[in-house]
Amino acid sequence: QVQLVESGGGVVQPGRSLRLSCAAYGFTFSRYSMHWVRQAPGKGLEWVAVIFLEGDNKHYTDSVKGRFTISRDNSKNMLYLQMDSLRADDTAIYYCARHFYNSASRWFDSWGQGTLVTVSS
Amino acid sequence: DIQLTQSPSSLPASVGDRVTITCRASQGITRYLAWYQQKPGKAPKLLIYAASTLQSGVPSRFSGGGSGTEFTLTISSLQPEDFATYYCQQLNSYPLTFGGGTKVEIK
Repeated sequence: QVQLVESGGGVVQPGRSLRLSCAAYGFTFSRYSMHWVRQAPGKGLEWVAVIFLEGDNKHYTDSVKGRFTISRDNSKNMLYLQMDSLRADDTAIYYCARHFYNSASRWFDSWGQGTLVTVSS
Repeated sequence: DIQLTQSPSSLPASVGDRVTITCRASQGITRYLAWYQQKPGKAPKLLIYAASTLQSGVPSRFSGGGSGTEFTLTISSLQPEDFATYYCQQLNSYPLTFGGGTKVEIK
């Protein structure tokens, strides 16, 4: 059974750093690209970043480029999001999600329960 | 970036109603579109992928349609457990984007 478990959220001051983790269970982690998606309080979903299989190819949404770094450790079945220079508008629940695809399309078939990041002084 | 416009943003409805949500893309995305359901305090749940393919385990009252720039999610007969927020997502190109959401609420 596929399971994704995020951790590492908390309250952090503006300008500081935080690292989120996502532990993957029940599937061969190294065979899947992985994403981070966030949701500010009372708002919609916002895609944040993706990392492909070996970790050499990544994409980010513009608002986090240069501040956030996505990474993975396939030997530990772990996904990470290093968040630096945090701002108040980074406050959100952060979800990790598994990328699935076939010849016709792509989608996120599994999501974690989320971890809350609050950026406040 | 590809923008997704969902309508309506709020949809008052009753149990048994047929409801349709529309998602319009700012440029063609063929069938690289997924629909998710989210309930308060929970993670999103995949309903539909490739615009019209029902995810395993999702009730058949849910259906998706469209291609290119216009897509729909239809619930044929609304059930109490369907009151939730629904999001479309394009996976045609990066950055990936979501629609603004449609909250289906009790009339």
